[in-house]
Amino acid sequence: DGGITQSPKYLFRKEGQNVTLSCEQNLNHDAMYWYRQDPGQGLRLIYYSQIVNDFQKGDIAEGYSVSREKKESFPLTVTSAQKNPTAFYLCASSLQGISNQPQHFGDGTRLSIL
Amino acid sequence: AQSVSQHNHHVILSEAASLELGCNYSYGGTVNLFWYVQYPGQHLQLLLKYFSGDPLVKGIKGFEAEFIKSKFSFNLRKPSVQWSDTAEYFCAVSSQRDDKIIFGKGTRLHILP
Repeated sequence: DGGITQSPKYLFRKEGQNVTLSCEQNLNHDAMYWYRQDPGQGLRLIYYSQIVNDFQKGDIAEGYSVSREKKESFPLTVTSAQKNPTAFYLCASSLQGISNQPQHFGDGTRLSIL
Repeated sequence: AQSVSQHNHHVILSEAASLELGCNYSYGGTVNLFWYVQYPGQHLQLLLKYFSGDPLVKGIKGFEAEFIKSKFSFNLRKPSVQWSDTAEYFCAVSSQRDDKIIFGKGTRLHILP
């Protein structure tokens, strides 16, 4: 079955460490997205990529970095510069980076600070 | 600024009650509208969408939503809810001006058996 795989499901980080969250899709979608979900905040866009080797900042990109070297992969790095990284992170993809395309979501990664 | 507002953060209903979840948006130009649902322990999935045409759209599991352009609203409805409808519901809006989707803060729906 086609879908989006996020790993790991749970991740713990020590203060001052960078961590990388994995997102892989086998839907042959062009566009991929990273969101952060906090209770009562909804989904906030961190970064998105409409095509390989290109990506744009979302609304809350500070303290995060991404790469898009392959169509099926869009890893997110949470750097030590992110002051409040504890959250639920969702990866999504859509057929094309066009506003009327629905997004498909992964199961998420929950990041906690030790 | 572009925004999406969901009026109810937490709704509790008994089975067979009727449901209406409010969603209003502030967006210029032509919009695309979505409702997503997140069932407990599952990933976020599309419930229904409106791009153009008939402003009353029907989605999965008996849900429907009506786009009222003059009110900038896209409320979600279901005539008779079931316990399995317990979930968090997100309204989302995108504009043809850009390729981003703005999500509302979500409404937690709890159905009492």
